[in-house]
Amino acid sequence: GAVVSQHPSWVICKSGTSVKIECRSLDFQATTMFWYRQFPKQSLMLMATSNEGSKATYEQGVEKDKFLINHASLTLSTLTVTSAHPEDSSFYICSADLVNIQYFGAGTRLSVL
Amino acid sequence: GENVEQHPSTLSVQEGDSAVIKCTYSDSASNYFPWYKQELGKRPQLIIDIRSNVGEKKDQRIAVTLNKTAKHFSLHITETQPEDSAVYFCAAYLNDMRFGAGTRLTVKP
Repeated sequence: GAVVSQHPSWVICKSGTSVKIECRSLDFQATTMFWYRQFPKQSLMLMATSNEGSKATYEQGVEKDKFLINHASLTLSTLTVTSAHPEDSSFYICSADLVNIQYFGAGTRLSVL
Repeated sequence: GENVEQHPSTLSVQEGDSAVIKCTYSDSASNYFPWYKQELGKRPQLIIDIRSNVGEKKDQRIAVTLNKTAKHFSLHITETQPEDSAVYFCAAYLNDMRFGAGTRLTVKP
């Protein structure tokens, strides 16, 4: 089946630094990928839609200058959390779209000290 | 945009009983409705899905029903087992995927 790889799985960083998370579709091409944020015991909240070769579409309330998304190829989308603060600590998870079916990465747990 | 509501938020059943989780959606144009199972600390896994041109779909102990007129769809798990314990999310897809709030299912042995 379709496989999506997400790295890193866990990252700890100091407040004010930037963190890049990668989402790769390993055996298929994904024109569209999605980035979600999940708080403990809560649902997946869509942050943005990443489109290959064009700008990402951000959900209301998500700062695009804070969460930079780049989808430079059909198999890779990156999310960069810029100038991270403790409130950005969360579980971030990506998915790649293949005929509307979403294949999820394993997620990245970000802890900002 | 699409809004998905899911009930109940928690569900506890005895092993062997059935479990039903219900979701409603707001945009009648949504055309794809998957259900995901998420175990603690793991990625969501697709367990069953249904498209808007179908009313019901079954896969062994799991079934999904869709009522387009009422804009709701349900997950049915029969003969529940302890390993069914997890959080289940419904979702509706139009131009992107919107998730329900999740249901924490506990199956007691």
